[in-house]
Amino acid sequence: QSVLTQPPSASGTPGQRVTISCSGSSSNIGSNTVNWYQQIPGTAPKLLIYSNSLRPSGVPDRFSGSKSATSASLAISGLQSEDEADYYCSAWDDSLNSWVFGGGTKLTVL
Amino acid sequence: EVQLVESGGGLVKPGGSLRLSCAASGFNFNFYSMNWVRQAPGKGLEWVSSISSSYTYIYYADSVKGRFTISRDNAKNSVYLQMNSLRAEDTAVYYCAANRPLMGMEVWGQGTTVTVSS
Repeated sequence: QSVLTQPPSASGTPGQRVTISCSGSSSNIGSNTVNWYQQIPGTAPKLLIYSNSLRPSGVPDRFSGSKSATSASLAISGLQSEDEADYYCSAWDDSLNSWVFGGGTKLTVL
Repeated sequence: EVQLVESGGGLVKPGGSLRLSCAASGFNFNFYSMNWVRQAPGKGLEWVSSISSSYTYIYYADSVKGRFTISRDNAKNSVYLQMNSLRAEDTAVYYCAANRPLMGMEVWGQGTTVTVSS
């Protein structure tokens, strides 16, 4: 059971906009910023969004993040086939003194 | 090129030990906290341990506390994970990852596989 809660799956057709939610608590998302990672099967995770809504250099602006209270969301607009991957949210947890991850959302591009 | 390269994984019997290493290059290692994150077969990401840039703060997941020890050598741009009393449930790909304050883990290694089995 992950500390952060994500839907196990999401899907969309090319060009669509999809969102992935991430629910936490006051000790993690409620107190700290949220990061999102993309993992294509068989490869290492890649930082997609940091500090709730900022994109590292090289990440397309089709990817956006937001946070409200103890929840966060990742939005992907103009969905492309190469976006098919697993997506994880993460935040520091002040009570556990640990990084916590969501269970991951498998995104399928139909 | 910015990169992290892990080594030291392998097959070990339950109760055994392994020492993972992670060598950094292409960025200022001294400014980054270092982390170990693992992924069991078919499962999600699980944070294992972190060490701050100045060695001041060290944290462990409850699942490894008392069995694993993280360390770093800033002179060698390397971080290590000593794993003792290994269990079958420690079987996973182990990634090292680097983060700056208030940022996510922006640099990841390719991972090294640890298999605990008799």
